[in-house]
Amino acid sequence: NAGVTQTPKFQVLKTGQSMTLQCAQDMNHEYMSWYRQDPGMGLRLIHYSVGAGITDQGEVPNGYNVSRSTTEDFPLRLLSAAPSQTSVYFCASRSIQAYGYTFGSGTRLTVV
Amino acid sequence: RKEVEQDPGPFNVPEGATVAFNCTYSNSASQSFFWYRQDCRKEPKLLMSVYSSGNEDGRFTAQLNRASQYISLLIRDSKLSDSATYLCSKIQGAQKLVFGQGTRLTINP
Repeated sequence: NAGVTQTPKFQVLKTGQSMTLQCAQDMNHEYMSWYRQDPGMGLRLIHYSVGAGITDQGEVPNGYNVSRSTTEDFPLRLLSAAPSQTSVYFCASRSIQAYGYTFGSGTRLTVV
Repeated sequence: RKEVEQDPGPFNVPEGATVAFNCTYSNSASQSFFWYRQDCRKEPKLLMSVYSSGNEDGRFTAQLNRASQYISLLIRDSKLSDSATYLCSKIQGAQKLVFGQGTRLTINP
């Protein structure tokens, strides 16, 4: 059971480039979320989804897009990367029946 | 103002000591509360849920005070392996899970 898988683990982008951070879970969880973590800021919610086809904005959605075409996948897109988006990104999921979220191991993104 | 506020620390305590963290939250409609633990450069992992009646899991006790809008975590007989960052969090609305800044704890031998 792989749990929540995030790819890539590390990425360096140039300002203005676009990329997609991948997140996949094999636990058939309904809820999925994306967070960024910066020193002194804790985990901040970017976007979340309560099921396939349903997404909503979190605390810091600007500069990021998401879609949820399947239960398993919840990709996060940066359309035009900025240095302010340098961060560690975590994807998380949980089922309706459980309280706790399972997190992926994170993607460390640097924008230069 | 963040929806969940906690003292970032760091807290440095000797092994065997009792340590307590508090966390305040806004929006009294918040539904559920949790403590997560995060080791250095790792992902957060659920430590325990928090109930109004208080709940205990071994050396860990969590408490929720809805009237004053705070949650707490007490660690008794602390171990070196308890060194980590502790994140309080809440769920509200349509499963929107938000976190505080995290409190860094170091247990010293």
